[in-house]
Amino acid sequence: SQTIHQWPATLVQPVGSPLSLECTVEGTSNPNLYWYRQAAGRGLQLLFYSVGIGQISSEVPQNLSASRPQDRQFILSSKKLLLSDSGFYLCAWSGNMNTEAFFGQGTRLTVV
Amino acid sequence: QQQVKQSPQSLIVQKGGISIINCAYENTAFDYFPWYQQFPGKGPALLIAIRPDVSEKKEGRFTISFNKSAKQFSLHIMDSQPGDSATYFCAASRNYGGSQGNLIFGKGTKLSVKP
Repeated sequence: SQTIHQWPATLVQPVGSPLSLECTVEGTSNPNLYWYRQAAGRGLQLLFYSVGIGQISSEVPQNLSASRPQDRQFILSSKKLLLSDSGFYLCAWSGNMNTEAFFGQGTRLTVV
Repeated sequence: QQQVKQSPQSLIVQKGGISIINCAYENTAFDYFPWYQQFPGKGPALLIAIRPDVSEKKEGRFTISFNKSAKQFSLHIMDSQPGDSATYFCAASRNYGGSQGNLIFGKGTKLSVKP
């Protein structure tokens, strides 16, 4: 069976510090991978998606970047965090032909 | 064209009542309409989904009603229970030559079921 792992679960970082959130998927090959951000009381905003190694599409301009160094690994990064980067970050995967997206448990990021 | 509009933003229902959440879309190319359920501090999970070739799909207490001409779909939760208290997201996507496109999510509805 497929599983998605996302860590850490919570993170408190000072303004200006770097960020690295990691997501890995097990039990499937060549998944589509996604990073979403969910601000308090708001919907799911798609930040990045990837259809293969090294292939990253950005949905919104921002202070964040994403990388996919391996088939089932997706990393969300920032060189210098802003207060506005606080939020709940969710990684998700889907199969190329499938329609369902499977979400990780999320990372609660607080920038102070 | 890419938006999915969801209402209400929040909903309070008594135990045993019917919860109804509505969504509307503009892009007639959308062909997959899922609903996700999210508990606090957790990632969303697929609850139920429908395609435009049917007008209704039922799974247990959860029913999706789909109106293609009105470009609307709704989630009905029958006999609502306190354990149903969560945030619900509707979404839509379209097929691009055999590959499903990215999901477009509504802004979510926070449901509270009072005992």
